[in-house]
Amino acid sequence: SAVISQKPSRDICQRGTSLTIQCQVDSQVTMMFWYRQQPGQSLTLIATANQGSEATYESGFVIDKFPISRPNLTFSTLTVSNMSPEDSSIYLCSVLSPMNTEAFFGQGTRLTVV
Amino acid sequence: DAKTTQPPSMDCAEGRAANLPCNHSTISGNEYVYWYRQIHSQGPQYIIHGLKNNETNEMASLIITEDRKSSTLILPHATLRDTAVYYCIVRLPHGSGNTGKLIFGQGTTLQVKP
Repeated sequence: SAVISQKPSRDICQRGTSLTIQCQVDSQVTMMFWYRQQPGQSLTLIATANQGSEATYESGFVIDKFPISRPNLTFSTLTVSNMSPEDSSIYLCSVLSPMNTEAFFGQGTRLTVV
Repeated sequence: DAKTTQPPSMDCAEGRAANLPCNHSTISGNEYVYWYRQIHSQGPQYIIHGLKNNETNEMASLIITEDRKSSTLILPHATLRDTAVYYCIVRLPHGSGNTGKLIFGQGTTLQVKP
């Protein structure tokens, strides 16, 4: 299984500011995924990040609000820009196993916007 | 939209088998059935997956009906630590232009009681 480290684990931010979340994997992976989990809700896929190409965003998510970087096969960042209280969520990074048969998840970043 | 339907909640007595149903009547021929669970404040954890045949691993068994329109996850001897939200997901395999992304529904909250 892959070991995924996310930083920060939690943060409290002022509205209007931006936060960059880091996702570090202990092995090289092709696909990385970013999810959002709003309070009491299920996970919603934000975007898929493939190394060397632009991220692919799901409906309802745009690059200006959630820019993603994928500089190499073990690392990615998600920025939550111009935050509002509605952005208060848990943000999770996920990668596929080497055989692409299952996905592993980080422990998430708990973001509170005040 | 999620392509699966699950009951929102279920209870199970500790030590008894927990049987969690899932309907996926629109599943296509090459989509797999996956089960994940999310224990409070943690990232989702992979449990098991299957295509047509029943599957068993150290955590659970997966029973898929012959027409593949529904499945059941079986935790043979539920413990208090199995209390979690269980997600049933249908997923295209990674490759041939598919990213292998997971789309989560609302899941079933399983409460294991002493």
